[in-house]
Amino acid sequence: DTEVTQTPKHLVMGMTNKKSLKCEQHMGHRAMYWYKQKAKKPPELMFVYSYEKLSINESVPSRFSPECPNSSLLNLHLHALQPEDSALYLCASSPRLALRGDTGELFFGEGSRLTVL
Amino acid sequence: QQQVKQSPQSLIVQKGGISIINCAYENTAFDYFPWYQQFPGKGPALLIAIRPDVSEKKEGRFTISFNKSAKQFSLHIMDSQPGDSATYFCAASIGGGSYIPTFGRGTSLIVHP
Repeated sequence: DTEVTQTPKHLVMGMTNKKSLKCEQHMGHRAMYWYKQKAKKPPELMFVYSYEKLSINESVPSRFSPECPNSSLLNLHLHALQPEDSALYLCASSPRLALRGDTGELFFGEGSRLTVL
Repeated sequence: QQQVKQSPQSLIVQKGGISIINCAYENTAFDYFPWYQQFPGKGPALLIAIRPDVSEKKEGRFTISFNKSAKQFSLHIMDSQPGDSATYFCAASIGGGSYIPTFGRGTSLIVHP
């Protein structure tokens, strides 16, 4: 199984709503990532978890709250978002945070397309 | 500061032609250079990657050329097919620590039948 599964595929929410995005992988990977991607732009790193601990937070606003309940699951909790937060949210995983000699490949899910009204 | 510069932003080729996308980097600590392919509505997927100890890597119709002294690398797609129409991102990363790829801005490739 080489898949990263993200749900929901599409989400529409108002600025006062609370919602969550979910990501699951069963490849035994120990590093998981959240990226935000705007149209015609590269993915932009938000958070990295390594061995279920938050390793990197790229100065993301607190209205985005990540959670890693176990080694297979990654959630992104959303609250009081702004219309400019509308984007494709991508989850990715890798065997670990790479050591020298690793391939460094990221495995991406298909993303959750978020629209904030 | 953009650490990986990618060009062109968009590319249109005819079926059977050669597609060439170029990238340049600044950080000499980068030691892994992947290319990701992204179809509309999908997440990026690794296409091919190279390390700086080789100058070329070929997988099927896809070839990476790497010039360490010029700090440049490029993707060549031979015999381009309409199914190759996608956005391509070059990237660079540093192993031996916190691995995070630095992406180029992307190239939208359209291959006309």
